[in-house]
Amino acid sequence: DVKVTQSSRYLVKRTGEKVFLECVQDMDHENMFWYRQDPGLGLRLIYFSYDVKMKEKGDIPEGYSVSREKKERFSLILESASTNQTSMYLCASGEQGAQNEQFFGPGTRLTVL
Amino acid sequence: DQQVKQNSPSLSVQEGRISILNCDYTNSMFDYFLWYKKYPAEGPTFLISISSIKDKNEDGRFTVFLNKSAKHLSLHIVPSQPGDSPVYFCAALNAGNNRKLIWGLGTSLAVNP
Repeated sequence: DVKVTQSSRYLVKRTGEKVFLECVQDMDHENMFWYRQDPGLGLRLIYFSYDVKMKEKGDIPEGYSVSREKKERFSLILESASTNQTSMYLCASGEQGAQNEQFFGPGTRLTVL
Repeated sequence: DQQVKQNSPSLSVQEGRISILNCDYTNSMFDYFLWYKKYPAEGPTFLISISSIKDKNEDGRFTVFLNKSAKHLSLHIVPSQPGDSPVYFCAALNAGNNRKLIWGLGTSLAVNP
C-alpha cells in the first residue's frame, strides 16, 4: 500500500513565524503535490514537483515556497505565516504519466494566530 | 473561473437507493476524470476514474458515466450505504498537462437509514 505521511496532524503557529510542513512518500513516486483545502473552495494546488529539485507553481503559490531535495520528501514552507494561511494542508504523490491517481496524506490542520 | 463544477454542495438519499453525483466541466481538452472521496480529518481517497475514450466505467457499487458532448459526468452509487457519506470530489486532467488535476468543490453525501 502507498503511504504518504505528513509530519504533523495539527499545528498552531503565530503570525510571522516560519513554518515547515513535511511530506514523505514511500512508493518512489516522481510527482508530489501540496494542496490546501478550505470550506467552499475545494482543493487548491499550491505547488507541485515532478522530479528532485524541480518545482512548479500551482494556482495559489503566493506566500509559500517548496523544497524537494530527495525524491521521497516534499516540504512546504511558509516564510512568514499569516492568519489567512490557516487551513487544511494536504500532500499527495503520484507516478509519472497522464492517468495516474494521486495518493494523499492525512493532512495537517494549521492554525495561525 | 471553475473549470470543474459540482453544482450540488450536498445530497441526501435513503439507504438502499441510488445516489447520483454530478460534475460538469468546461475545458474540452480534459481527457481523464477521477472521483475521490474524503472523510473529515483524512486525505482524499481515489474511488474510480474514466478516460475520455469511454463512456462508462464500473467498479462494484460505483459506476461513472461520461457524456463528452455535454461535458458532463456522473457517479452512481448503487445501493447507497450509510458508510457512503463522505464528500465526493470530481477531478479532471489534460494529458498535455498530465501532472495537474483540476478539482471540483465537492458534494457532501448523506445516506439516511
